[in-house]
Amino acid sequence: GQQLNQSPQSMFIQEGEDVSMNCTSSSIFNTWLWYKQDPGEGPVLLIALYKAGELTSNGRLTAQFGITRKDSFLNISASIPSDVGIYFCAGASVGVVDTNAGKSTFGDGTTLTVKP
Amino acid sequence: DVKVTQSSRYLVKRTGEKVFLECVQDMDHENMFWYRQDPGLGLRLIYFSYDVKMKEKGDIPEGYSVSREKKERFSLILESASTNQTSMYLCASSLPLGGGASYEQYFGPGTRLTVT
Repeated sequence: GQQLNQSPQSMFIQEGEDVSMNCTSSSIFNTWLWYKQDPGEGPVLLIALYKAGELTSNGRLTAQFGITRKDSFLNISASIPSDVGIYFCAGASVGVVDTNAGKSTFGDGTTLTVKP
Repeated sequence: DVKVTQSSRYLVKRTGEKVFLECVQDMDHENMFWYRQDPGLGLRLIYFSYDVKMKEKGDIPEGYSVSREKKERFSLILESASTNQTSMYLCASSLPLGGGASYEQYFGPGTRLTVT
């Protein structure tokens, strides 16, 4: 099946620093999504991207849908302690039979630790 | 707000037991999913369902089955639990196909299952 390469696997940063993470795929995606999972909870959707080249912000978070449709990145500016968690990217492709169920392919996650 | 609930946050079962994990969503979503999450492996899809009584295998269905008798409820069944099924299990739901929003998944808080 389709696979996503998400990097970095983990990050240890100081409060106030900016963060950047990305996902790449060998396949083209029509939708990219970014989720955050707080410790002990389920993932929550942060940003959804539907168009190649699209740049979308949600507070201190900014995500972009790559022009090639094979990558996406997420930036967090001025990190704070509550940014701690696991960030997942997910991609979906129209035209794949099982996409009828809204199935996405998930990256392995980036674990973010923020030191106060 | 969409609410996805899972029957237990923590569960301890013995090898060979039959285990039921229940998931309920309150937003009339057609699509429902079961994932397992293991460190370093991200979210792996076990089964998904796009309608009542309809189900499709995901990437790792072996050792699991599912049941969707009502639209709001999706159950994951471990017919004979084994120690390698110790994991975090996450349920999710999403709107039906009809645009990008169908890929936006809403997750429950997860069930941490330990099989001894």
